[in-house]
Amino acid sequence: EAQVTQNPRYLITVTGKKLTVTCSQNMNHEYMSWYRQDPGLGLRQIYYSMNVEVTDKGDVPEGYKVSRKEKRNFPLILESPSPNQTSLYFCASSFRRAGEKLFFGSGTQLSVL
Amino acid sequence: GQSLEQPSEVTAVEGAIVQINCTYQTSGFYGLSWYQQHDGGAPTFLSYNALDGLEETGRFSSFLSRSDSYGYLLLQELQMKDSASYFCAVFSGNTGKLIFGQGTTLQVKP
Repeated sequence: EAQVTQNPRYLITVTGKKLTVTCSQNMNHEYMSWYRQDPGLGLRQIYYSMNVEVTDKGDVPEGYKVSRKEKRNFPLILESPSPNQTSLYFCASSFRRAGEKLFFGSGTQLSVL
Repeated sequence: GQSLEQPSEVTAVEGAIVQINCTYQTSGFYGLSWYQQHDGGAPTFLSYNALDGLEETGRFSSFLSRSDSYGYLLLQELQMKDSASYFCAVFSGNTGKLIFGQGTTLQVKP
């Protein structure tokens, strides 16, 4: 089944404890991206990747890192999480570009205490 | 900068037609997408317009006017399951940037 798999679904952590949210797609998509969703603010792009080893900042990259060593995986890394990073996170992928049909993962609800 | 505006809430009755508007300001505009999101769920793709005009997919249609920086999503024969949030998103040029609007919550009443 074609899908974007995100893990974990829920995560509670404490300030400053490094964490990684994994994202994997099995559709051979070139484009992958991360979003955070906060009430009243819609979806805001954190980072995106147009292909392997190519990543770039979205609108809210501060406090996040990403890597794209393989085509299928695009992990989101929070080196030192803070409470203002408490949010619902989505990973998404598409065949080539952001404007094409994006397939979203099921989301990760992160709480930073 | 880039910005999108869409209404925060829309209410309609089952069987009716509803239109959700989206106006945008962006440089290097390339296309406008629409996504649906049910409570607690992931966004799902509905449509994409790169050229002026109407795109129809079943009960849903999407329209774009590049000269007016405006688009809309039209939902016909509304069903209770259409109650959800709807987001427009603009895509600029050949970059990977995709900017979402704040979303419109559609409530369908019996």
